[in-house]
Amino acid sequence: DTGVSQDPRHKITKRGQNVTFRCDPISEHNRLYWYRQTLGQGPEFLTYFQNEAQLEKSRLLSDRFSAERPKGSFSTLEIQRTEQGDSAMYLCASSLGLFEGREKLFFGSGTQLSVL
Amino acid sequence: GDSVTQMEGPVTLSEEAFLTINCTYTATGYPSLFWYVQYPGEGLQLLLKATKADDKGSNKGFEATYRKETTSFHLEKGSVQVSDSAVYFCALFYGNNRLAFGKGNQVVVIP
Repeated sequence: DTGVSQDPRHKITKRGQNVTFRCDPISEHNRLYWYRQTLGQGPEFLTYFQNEAQLEKSRLLSDRFSAERPKGSFSTLEIQRTEQGDSAMYLCASSLGLFEGREKLFFGSGTQLSVL
Repeated sequence: GDSVTQMEGPVTLSEEAFLTINCTYTATGYPSLFWYVQYPGEGLQLLLKATKADDKGSNKGFEATYRKETTSFHLEKGSVQVSDSAVYFCALFYGNNRLAFGKGNQVVVIP
């Protein structure tokens, strides 16, 4: 069990640029979540996948955001035409999809995005 | 919607002091409740959980009891250490598919 890994750890970009983050979940976990955390706030749910299917998206996920999990393993989160308000820590988490296991989320260390 | 509320502000206390962080929840059903901890430079880690009323979750000297009558899940530790300095988040699992977090409380333990 190598844990949930996210790449990159930090990303600095200029407003209007596109960015993409990657998340590798724990290998046997079939649920994968994306959260966003801003300074002084708790993580906010963005979206989640059950295997390769994206089952729910938050209203926080504007049209500029897209997430994929093409083979039910790693996932990517892309933000197009970044805005300064997108600056945040983007967290990925994974869990087993069954019974109580679905409630136990394992989080990665996050990708800190700074939009200048 | 389902949500949790944590007490406002950071908590600063001396080593070996008693720690309490308040958490109350609003939910239509009976969600599972959690405390997560975030140490400096690290990701969120599950600290403890409780899945039904009157359950007590415990780990590393921390405890929290699921109180349905007061809709609360307060975190307590009898004697904190400097290594307990971290941000603590209360959370509930709802809708069968997600965690909702409180704003978190920064805990600073002074030697």
